Amino acid sequence: DTEVTQTPKHLVMGMTNKKSLKCEQHMGHRAMYWYKQKAKKPPELMFVYSYEKLSINESVPSRFSPECPNSSLLNLHLHALQPEDSALYLCASSQDRLGPDTQYFGPGTRLTVL
Amino acid sequence: AQSVAQPEDQVNVAEGNPLTVKCTYSVSGNPYLFWYVQYPNRGLQFLLKYITGDNLVKGSYGFEAEFNKSQTSFHLKKPSALVSDSALYFCAVRDNRGSQGNLIFGKGTKLSVKP
Repeated sequence: DTEVTQTPKHLVMGMTNKKSLKCEQHMGHRAMYWYKQKAKKPPELMFVYSYEKLSINESVPSRFSPECPNSSLLNLHLHALQPEDSALYLCASSQDRLGPDTQYFGPGTRLTVL
Repeated sequence: AQSVAQPEDQVNVAEGNPLTVKCTYSVSGNPYLFWYVQYPNRGLQFLLKYITGDNLVKGSYGFEAEFNKSQTSFHLKKPSALVSDSALYFCAVRDNRGSQGNLIFGKGTKLSVKP
């Protein structure tokens, strides 16, 4: 089983709202990732967690706040977003952060900021 | 600099014909190379990867890719295209600088297979 699940599938929020995206995997992977993807563009890495600790933060604005409560779960807390933050947000996981391990992606959350 | 190039924005193929989606890379050391496919409004699906060994890698849905070290290429191929193969294809390489390890993606190639 190589499934990564994400909820919700779609999210519409105003610029003053607070919302969270959730990601879950039960493959025993120790690395989890958040990506942002604009239409017809490649995914852009936002955050990487390795063994439940934040390893990489690609200079993401503080209105995005990641959290890794345990080895299976990854959250992305959203607050005071801008319309340009509208995108597909993808979660991925891999056995480890380094080496040739495959990253498996979830179906994504389509976020619209009004 | 570590990078991946997909020189074609779009590839058009007739159903039943062979298809090739091109990818070249630039990394230091030995590359770990990946191909993913993305259907509209979906996440990325892993197709295949090259780590070491045989230069011809076989993957999901009848796809294969050929690693060519001298040309620094990793082209995706399929002997007979299906209409259902129409999607966006991404080539990626693992960033093996120091403690990075994240994927570096090409810009993507849209594959259109016509009946």
